[in-house]
Amino acid sequence: AQSVTQLGSHVSVSEGALVLLRCNYSSSVPPYLFWYVQYPNQGLQLLLKYTSAATLVKGINGFEAEFKKSETSFHLTKPSAHMSDAAEYFCAAGGSNYKLTFGKGTLLTVNP
Amino acid sequence: EAGVTQSPTHLIKTRGQQATLRCSPISGHTSVYWYQQALGLGLQFLLWYDEGEERNRGNFPPRFSGRQFPNYSSELNVNALELEDSALYLCAGTLGGQGMNEQFFGPGTRLTVL
Repeated sequence: AQSVTQLGSHVSVSEGALVLLRCNYSSSVPPYLFWYVQYPNQGLQLLLKYTSAATLVKGINGFEAEFKKSETSFHLTKPSAHMSDAAEYFCAAGGSNYKLTFGKGTLLTVNP
Repeated sequence: EAGVTQSPTHLIKTRGQQATLRCSPISGHTSVYWYQQALGLGLQFLLWYDEGEERNRGNFPPRFSGRQFPNYSSELNVNALELEDSALYLCAGTLGGQGMNEQFFGPGTRLTVL
C-alpha cells in the first residue's frame, strides 16, 4: 500500500527565509505526486503536481518541488517566505487505483 | 465557473443518528472523491465515485456509504453515528478517465457528533 511521510508536523520560518517542507513516499513505481495547501476553515488547493514530465515542478505562489526517485522524495521549497504562506501543507501520492494517499500535513508558521 | 460546493457547512448530530452530506463537483467533472479529515489522523480516503458507480473505498465500516447522481453530484451517508466520526468531510471532483487528474476540493462539511 502506498504511504506518504511528511517530516515535521510543524515548521516555523522567518519572513523572507527559505521554506523547505519534506515529503517521502513509498512506492516501487513512481506515483503521481501532489502538494496541496489548506488555509484555515477552507478546503485544499493544489500547489503543484508531478506527473513524470519533469523532475523539477513549478507551482503557484512561487513554490516548487523536486522529484528524486533515488531518495523517494518530493520536497517542497520556496526561496522567500511571505506571511501569507502560513497554512497547512499536504503531500499526496496517487497510483493506479486512482485514490490519493495523503501525508499527515505540515503546519507552516511564518514569523515577522 | 463555480467551484466545488458542499452542504451543509456545519452539521451537529448525536450518537446513533444518521448524517447526510452533499457535494457538487465542477461542471464537466464526473468523478467524486470523499475524504475524512479528523483531528490528529490527517486526510483519510473514504470513497470514490465515477460515472455513478462506486469504484473504490477506504478502510471505513459499511455504515459509511454514498452514491453519485446522474448529474455527478454526490451524497455521503453516515449511519449510526459515533463520537469519533466528528471530523471535516471533504469532497473533491476530478475529470474521469485514465490517469491521475488533479482533484478540486470543496470547503468541507464540519460534522460534530455529540
